[in-house]
Amino acid sequence: QKEVEQNSGPLSVPEGAIASLNCTYSDRGSQSFFWYRQYSGKSPELIMSIYSNGDKEDGRFTAQLNKASQYVSLLIRDSQPSDSATYLCAAYQAGTALIFGKGTTLSVSS
Amino acid sequence: DTAVSQTPKYLVTQMGNDKSIKCEQNLGHDTMYWYKQDSKKFLKIMFSYNNKELIINETVPNRFSPKSPDKAHLNLHINSLELGDSAVYFCASSQDLQGWGVGTDTQYFGPGTRLTVL
Repeated sequence: QKEVEQNSGPLSVPEGAIASLNCTYSDRGSQSFFWYRQYSGKSPELIMSIYSNGDKEDGRFTAQLNKASQYVSLLIRDSQPSDSATYLCAAYQAGTALIFGKGTTLSVSS
Repeated sequence: DTAVSQTPKYLVTQMGNDKSIKCEQNLGHDTMYWYKQDSKKFLKIMFSYNNKELIINETVPNRFSPKSPDKAHLNLHINSLELGDSAVYFCASSQDLQGWGVGTDTQYFGPGTRLTVL
């Protein structure tokens, strides 16, 4: 069974700190990886996608992928209270469906 | 303009009733999906359609029947509703199923329909 594992948290960081969110996946055939942010009562919103090993940066967000270790992470620099949300990691293999982790709840305190 | 829209936003109904949820996307995408998010926030695929053809049908009771009249619309009909069907249902779309181009497999979600079965 294909699985994506995340620590449910909550992960608490002070404003301005770096938040580090981690995810592992079981299916070696997965080719695409996504981080979605979901505020309470809202729909998942795409933050980052990553397809190749290494780092991908977009503003305050950096996604990291290590296919050998089947590991994906998301770093949020200069965390803001508005970053407080649930972060969903997802893995995708062409022709199949997104497999989501159960999400990590991030709380950024001011 | 909303990229992926769903109606209704809230649905409260009695056990045993039949209800439908509608989804429309104006992104020109070929593939649409239905996901269920339970009370523990776990988001799980139910169905996917590619150009009106059913591609994925995860182990969902046959009380759930998706219908895609065209590639911009994917509706979900639920018969004989049960208490356990209470959840938030999200529709999503992506440009294509195979991810031929970078980013074409990115899925965009609708606002969700909160279904409560009493």
